Amino acid sequence: DAGVTQSPTHLIKTRGQQVTLRCSPKSGHDTVSWYQQALGQGPQFIFQYYEEEERQRGNFPDRFSGHQFPNYSSELNVNALLLGDSALYLCASSFQQNYGYTFGSGTRLTVV
Amino acid sequence: ILNVEQSPQSLHVQEGDSTNFTCSFPSSNFYALHWYRWETAKSPEALFVMTLNGDEKKKGRISATLNTKEGYSYLYIKGSQPEDSATYLCAAINFNKFYFGSGTKLNVKP
Repeated sequence: DAGVTQSPTHLIKTRGQQVTLRCSPKSGHDTVSWYQQALGQGPQFIFQYYEEEERQRGNFPDRFSGHQFPNYSSELNVNALLLGDSALYLCASSFQQNYGYTFGSGTRLTVV
Repeated sequence: ILNVEQSPQSLHVQEGDSTNFTCSFPSSNFYALHWYRWETAKSPEALFVMTLNGDEKKKGRISATLNTKEGYSYLYIKGSQPEDSATYLCAAINFNKFYFGSGTKLNVKP
């Protein structure tokens, strides 16, 4: 039974570019949440998708957007990248917005 | 935004030592507290989900307690082993959102 898979594992982008990160939830899970973890900090909630809609959002600018597909997989898009967007981006899945999250290994984004 | 704090930030112990660390969170509108164990280059692994005041959970040498009235949880590791070296994260759940602490990085020396 595959857990949460994220791609790519590492990514280097230039300031001003756009990036798309992908997440496939654990089998049986229908809710996907995205987190940003900057160096030395705990994960910060970006947003949560359930039933293909953004249900909740953390304190992140509109440059951060997402999507959930009918197969429950999800994308995180970041536009106009800033140096400060360099971080580990974690995806976590759960069943019907409930607790019991399973995390992916993350995508390490470096903006230069 | 919920302010979840963990202390200490890092901890170095010898193999065989017992250790504990703290997660503090606002007690109002509390729903649940999760503990995760996060090894470098791996996914965070769920350890405990705690919801009731006075909850005590145990998994092998690791245990946790919860005090929702005063807003804290303790994680204990008995007889630490090198394989316990990891970052231990707590997350408080409030209105279906997870608010993570910054973690306690534990290093167990053989």
